Amino acid sequence: DIQMTQSPFSLSASVGDRVTITCRASQTISNYLNWHQQRPGKAPKLLIYTASSLQSGVPSRFSGSGSGTDFTLTISSLQPEDFATYYCQQSFSTPHTFGQGTKLEVK
Amino acid sequence: EVQLVQSGAEVKKPGESLRISCKGSGYIFTGYWISWVRQMPGKGLEWMGRINPSDSYTNYSPSFQGHVTISADKSITTAYLQWSSLEASDTAIYYCARATQAATVNWGQGTLVTVSS
Repeated sequence: DIQMTQSPFSLSASVGDRVTITCRASQTISNYLNWHQQRPGKAPKLLIYTASSLQSGVPSRFSGSGSGTDFTLTISSLQPEDFATYYCQQSFSTPHTFGQGTKLEVK
Repeated sequence: EVQLVQSGAEVKKPGESLRISCKGSGYIFTGYWISWVRQMPGKGLEWMGRINPSDSYTNYSPSFQGHVTISADKSITTAYLQWSSLEASDTAIYYCARATQAATVNWGQGTLVTVSS
């Protein structure tokens, strides 16, 4: 199985801050990397697919980059609704493993 | 509008069987994979497996192979996740999701399964 490692595990930030979350794959996955947001008590929601493509309806303050083994999710200016947990997921080969999640909290 | 509507919460005893469902609408059901994802209480997301509803071809994570069965009935655009003998450690929220080869695109609302004696 491909292991996905996110950092940091948790992050404290303020509204308006720029934040970056990283995800590393244990082997190359080309650009088969997705980012999901999960708010408390809610189902996950796709934000970014194939590393850098913004899902329809997702605000442009979210962006993704990377290829191979190293990827990043950036939120350019945090909004109150962005405080949530973020997961990366590889879809290069089954099982389509997730990272352990990064919890973004209010500072 | 694409929708994945899952069946309601279940409370079961260890050793009992269970099947939960996920009904897709608003898209061509046979054109996308349906994946199942587990989230244990307070924990992260775990990919369990997927099915291609057009031919019922399945992939399972080794962690779940042999413990669950994924199936689909394309005539009623519904996918299923089934256990023959539940354990307390199966207590979790289970999500279905519509997926392309490259991405998990849409998620169901989740089904809470509680297994307790």
